[in-house]
Amino acid sequence: DAGVIQSPRHEVTEMGQEVTLRCKPISGHNSLFWYRQTMMRGLELLIYFNNNVPIDDSGMPEDRFSAKMPNASFSTLKIQPSEPRDSAVYFCASSLTGRSYGYTFGSGTRLTVV
Amino acid sequence: GQQVMQIPQYQHVQEGEDFTTYCNSSTTLSNIQWYKQRPGGHPVFLIQLVKSGEVKKQKRLTFQFGEAKKNSSLHITATQTTDVGTYFCLPFRNRDDKIIFGKGTRLHILP
Repeated sequence: DAGVIQSPRHEVTEMGQEVTLRCKPISGHNSLFWYRQTMMRGLELLIYFNNNVPIDDSGMPEDRFSAKMPNASFSTLKIQPSEPRDSAVYFCASSLTGRSYGYTFGSGTRLTVV
Repeated sequence: GQQVMQIPQYQHVQEGEDFTTYCNSSTTLSNIQWYKQRPGGHPVFLIQLVKSGEVKKQKRLTFQFGEAKKNSSLHITATQTTDVGTYFCLPFRNRDDKIIFGKGTRLHILP
């Protein structure tokens, strides 16, 4: 298995632009998580899905952030409009059941908003 | 979300010395996981502890879960340069609890 695949690896965008981050979880995993990592705040859970259904989105910073999981093999995290404070590394992770097994993380997307 | 503290935040050790990081919860946990993140990399799952007093070993790494299931530790014997990185705990309390990683312990190895 190729693991969790995220794209793009790096994204530099101007403030106000829309940004879309993509994730392909491991086949067969039924839970998917979006995390944001910064030096100041560490690893923050933004949202997680179970069987493609959003379970907890309380970590989504504000209405500028939205996430979708149209099917078991694909998820997107969208920021519109982007702001400099959104600059961070965004990780996608997947797992079986969400608790009993460890999470497998993707390589992340490093987002820089200028 | 549950209150969990991971200490220390940073640790510098000479290569060959031992290293320990602790994850302390104010409430009883159902299980806990440990992850390692190399500089510039992504978190990688190391192990899960479930039972009270459980001890698991992976080569030079020893993981413990406290008898009260409120504390856990990761101990590395005779550190090597490959151990550099940040070690995170991920505690679980109950089905409805928000999943929150500890802040992590960043390990630096001095040659």
